[in-house]
Amino acid sequence: KNEVEQSPQNLTAQEGEFITINCSYSVGISALHWLQQHPGGGIVSLFMLSSGKKKHGRLIATINIQEKHSSLHITASHPRDSAVYICAVRRYGGSQGNLIFGKGTKLSVKP
Amino acid sequence: EAGVAQSPRYKIIEKRQSVAFWCNPISGHATLYWYQQILGQGPKLLIQFQNNGVVDDSQLPKDRFSAERLKGVDSTLKIQPAKLEDSAVYLCASSSIQGFGETQYFGPGTRLLVL
Repeated sequence: KNEVEQSPQNLTAQEGEFITINCSYSVGISALHWLQQHPGGGIVSLFMLSSGKKKHGRLIATINIQEKHSSLHITASHPRDSAVYICAVRRYGGSQGNLIFGKGTKLSVKP
Repeated sequence: EAGVAQSPRYKIIEKRQSVAFWCNPISGHATLYWYQQILGQGPKLLIQFQNNGVVDDSQLPKDRFSAERLKGVDSTLKIQPAKLEDSAVYLCASSSIQGFGETQYFGPGTRLLVL
């Protein structure tokens, strides 16, 4: 079993829909990252969370440390949001800088 | 602020050939990472540098992969000889603080195809 599990693996939405991507992890962590990867391989860091909730534009990320679960929400989705969204955690007490990555959620937003 | 630079962006080689990738991190970032991302999977850490020293290379296949960061700035990752299963995107990332919760900045990646 992977230490970081994301769901769904693939998601197709219509423009304007509210989107939720989930991440569950099985280890103690000190931080959780949400990353966006566009075709071509470039990765952009969206959020870094250790507790609570963060909002940036149409993106909202939440984390529940007790339940070992995080969600990434996209409001009013747009075709340019189409990308792979990756959850990554930093294991508490583990090797510095060593992130554990989920397999990603491929999002496709149709106009 | 300039981002993490990588070159080449794409490389196609035949198996048993050698290949090298280059990474220039964000200026002032002491920590540099190389990741391998196979299609459909999340990135896997190959090696982590702090300045010019290796912090973690436990997942680097040392029989064929090597990496160096001689002056603590640019880094090169080499594969010699390449195998079919090395086809992947190789991502370089850098961060300014080695510690809990620092943000890693990723380069665009080098997409390698081994035929």
